[in-house]
Amino acid sequence: DSGVTQTPKHLITATGQRVTLRCSPRSGDLSVYWYQQSLDQGLQFLIQYYNGEERAKGNILERFSAQQFPDLHSELNLSSLELGDSALYFCASSVSGGVETQYFGPGTRLLVL
Amino acid sequence: AQSVTQPDIHITVSEGASLELRCNYSYGATPYLFWYVQSPGQGLQLLLKYFSGDTLVQGIKGFEAEFKRSQSSFNLRKPSVHWSDAAEYFCAVDNTDKLIFGTGTRLQVFP
Repeated sequence: DSGVTQTPKHLITATGQRVTLRCSPRSGDLSVYWYQQSLDQGLQFLIQYYNGEERAKGNILERFSAQQFPDLHSELNLSSLELGDSALYFCASSVSGGVETQYFGPGTRLLVL
Repeated sequence: AQSVTQPDIHITVSEGASLELRCNYSYGATPYLFWYVQSPGQGLQLLLKYFSGDTLVQGIKGFEAEFKRSQSSFNLRKPSVHWSDAAEYFCAVDNTDKLIFGTGTRLQVFP
């Protein structure tokens, strides 16, 4: 158990819908990362937040957005969902967001029908 | 651009045999390297990491990895594989705040 929690574990929705994935980092960690794992793209970095502020952005679609709240939990919002958005979405956290170990949550499996 | 290559998509070994999973990286500066393991339906668990110092790094579950700058490699090894090691293994490099992952190697273990 990494100490990073993600909810829900599974999510099934329809195209065009909007969903919110939630992540709680390890106690004491200030930085949260979001990754997408799909069969065709592999594991890809989406976005990083540090202490409430966006710090780095990767291959995140404009339909996707994220935020980190004062209690340090983070939410990833996916809108106008397409079939290709079906994937496993991981959250990771680290202490300060520099070059250090990232600890991963169990992931949220999203299926868009 | 920074990248990580895992040349072996799928490896099959017998239980008790030795294992080496290959990882090559392309990175301009000093690399910070990781190996993660993902069991079916599970998240990513850190096996070991290399930041600096001794180029032979010990990790959990009896795994080790050796950093070879001249070969741009960070291969993962285990002297004797157990059936519970069957999983997917990912090599990653830290690219200033984000991890760049290889495509993974799926390990199958036969009794």
